[in-house]
Amino acid sequence: KAGVTQTPRYLIKTRGQQVTLSCSPISGHRSVSWYQQTPGQGLQFLFEYFSETQRNKGNFPGRFSGRQFSNSRSEMNVSTLELGDSALYLCASSPEGRSSTDTQYFGPGTRLTVL
Amino acid sequence: SQQGEEDPQALSIQEGENATMNCSYKTSINNLQWYRQNSGRGLVHLILIRSNEREKHSGRLRVTLDTSKKSSSLLITASRAADTASYFCATPYSGSARQLTFGSGTQLTVLP
Repeated sequence: KAGVTQTPRYLIKTRGQQVTLSCSPISGHRSVSWYQQTPGQGLQFLFEYFSETQRNKGNFPGRFSGRQFSNSRSEMNVSTLELGDSALYLCASSPEGRSSTDTQYFGPGTRLTVL
Repeated sequence: SQQGEEDPQALSIQEGENATMNCSYKTSINNLQWYRQNSGRGLVHLILIRSNEREKHSGRLRVTLDTSKKSSSLLITASRAADTASYFCATPYSGSARQLTFGSGTQLTVLP
């Protein structure tokens, strides 16, 4: 099976702009989670989508939003970009089950730089 | 917020040596996972240990878990240059496997 893919891999934006990142999960996986990784805050959970519904949300401002499509592909959007939004954004997919031992499979990430 | 701390923050060893990384966490857990990340790329799942397990092995990896101390350790035996990466422990938030809380990570450098 193909792994998790994320597009684009690199992105440069300026403050105030908005950005949309895309994630295609492993075939058959219906859960997609997003994480932000920065040198200062480390890896932080953004949100999780399952069957087109947001199931969990981390502690991020409303400028961060996401959605999931019927084919399980997911997008996340960041509006009114700030310098502090510069980060590696990671997407992970996992099987449908609700087991707490489900493994998450991560994509390569999108490196966002805000100037 | 991060679940806990990992130490050391950085570790440099020679090929063939063993590498040990430690992770502490704050809340009760039902499992703890270890991930590897190569130079700013995606995370790769290494191993999961359940709260009722004390030790688990996978190839050259050995993980221990002490729930009374809220700590875990990852041992990589006979390290190779290809093991150079950052290693993170992660725990499910409120039992949800898809909402992981990560430690701060250990940067391992294995010198040839």
